[in-house]
Amino acid sequence: QKEVEQDPGPLSVPEGAIVSLNCTYSNSAFQYFMWYRQYSRKGPELLMYTYSSGNKEDGRFTAQVDKSSKYISLFIRDSQPSDSATYLCAMRVNNFNKFYFGSGTKLNVKP
Amino acid sequence: SAVISQKPSRDICQRGTSLTIQCQVDSQVTMMFWYRQQPGQSLTLIATANQGSEATYESGFVIDKFPISRPNLTFSTLTVSNMSPEDSSIYLCSGTPGLARNEQFFGPGTRLTVL
Repeated sequence: QKEVEQDPGPLSVPEGAIVSLNCTYSNSAFQYFMWYRQYSRKGPELLMYTYSSGNKEDGRFTAQVDKSSKYISLFIRDSQPSDSATYLCAMRVNNFNKFYFGSGTKLNVKP
Repeated sequence: SAVISQKPSRDICQRGTSLTIQCQVDSQVTMMFWYRQQPGQSLTLIATANQGSEATYESGFVIDKFPISRPNLTFSTLTVSNMSPEDSSIYLCSGTPGLARNEQFFGPGTRLTVL
């Protein structure tokens, strides 16, 4: 079993839709949860991160963590064609440097 | 934030040869990492590049195959040795500004094809 599971998609939505991206994980020791965005032929870039459980909002993006279910989500409101990219979840244990990445979900927002 | 560049951006190599990938950061970073990414797959950590000492390798990766250098806080190299077609992948370097930080800044990657 992989430590982090993520549906690879692709996910295709019309412009303006609300997008939900999800990851599940098996290691209950994970405490930091990150979302990275990767455009084609580029390296991943950090979108946002949360610590432990709860929600965090940044503009059109909301990250949610449910530690009891070992489930994290990223919501994108009013999606734009420029949001078309692969979204990777990542997690780590407190005080450790190693990240565990999901395989990424490819999102296509159609104008 | 840190800006990371990699050279070469892509290469096509023959089986049995070696390729060295360079990673340059525009500011000092505490930690540097090397990853491999297959199309549609997650990033797999190869090793942590330690300044002035031997890299720390993840399970399944060995120094003889992937020697790494990090002479200072802004530069690192990864060599893919005695290449085979199975080494065809995208190789990414990253850096973080401190220990146990959530921000990793990634380079654009080196796309390697081994024939």
